[in-house]
Amino acid sequence: KNEVEQSPQNLTAQEGEFITINCSYSVGISALHWLQQHPGGGIVSLFMLSSGKKKHGRLIATINIQEKHSSLHITASHPRDSAVYICAVLNYGGSQGNLIFGKGTKLSVKP
Amino acid sequence: DTEVTQTPKHLVMGMTNKKSLKCEQHMGHRAMYWYKQKAKKPPELMFVYSYEKLSINESVPSRFSPECPNSSLLNLHLHALQPEDSALYLCASTRQGLVRNTEAFFGQGTRLTVV
Repeated sequence: KNEVEQSPQNLTAQEGEFITINCSYSVGISALHWLQQHPGGGIVSLFMLSSGKKKHGRLIATINIQEKHSSLHITASHPRDSAVYICAVLNYGGSQGNLIFGKGTKLSVKP
Repeated sequence: DTEVTQTPKHLVMGMTNKKSLKCEQHMGHRAMYWYKQKAKKPPELMFVYSYEKLSINESVPSRFSPECPNSSLLNLHLHALQPEDSALYLCASTRQGLVRNTEAFFGQGTRLTVV
């Protein structure tokens, strides 16, 4: 079992739809990143969360530390939101940690 | 400036070539990372430099040789690569290593093709 599981793996939506991507993890963490990667491109950090909820524009990220679960929501989705969304957790402990990545959710928003 | 800049964006090299990938940041970050990402897979950690010293080498073959000449610059020297080394190579930086709540900044990556 992977330490970081994302669902769904693939998601197709119509423009304007509300989108939710889920991330569950099994290790102790000190922070969780939501990352965006466009085809062939680099990775952009959308959010870093250690508790609660953050909002940036049409993007909302929440985390429940007790349940070891995080969600990324996109309101009023747009074709330019099409990308792979990756959940990555910062493993707790040690002086030199590492990001453990989920396999990503490929989102395609149709006009 | 909150950017991590990687050059080149694309690189095609033969198995006998020697080439280098470059990563630069001017955010004053003291930890820099190389990741390798194969198609449709998550990034895999290769190396971590902390305060210009190599602190993690994830059993990477010696045909990959990292170098951190100063706190802003990270190189990855490539020699005698194999076609299976073709991948997206991503650089990242953090303020002081991935300790507690530290945001990671990623470069756009270098798409490497070994022929």
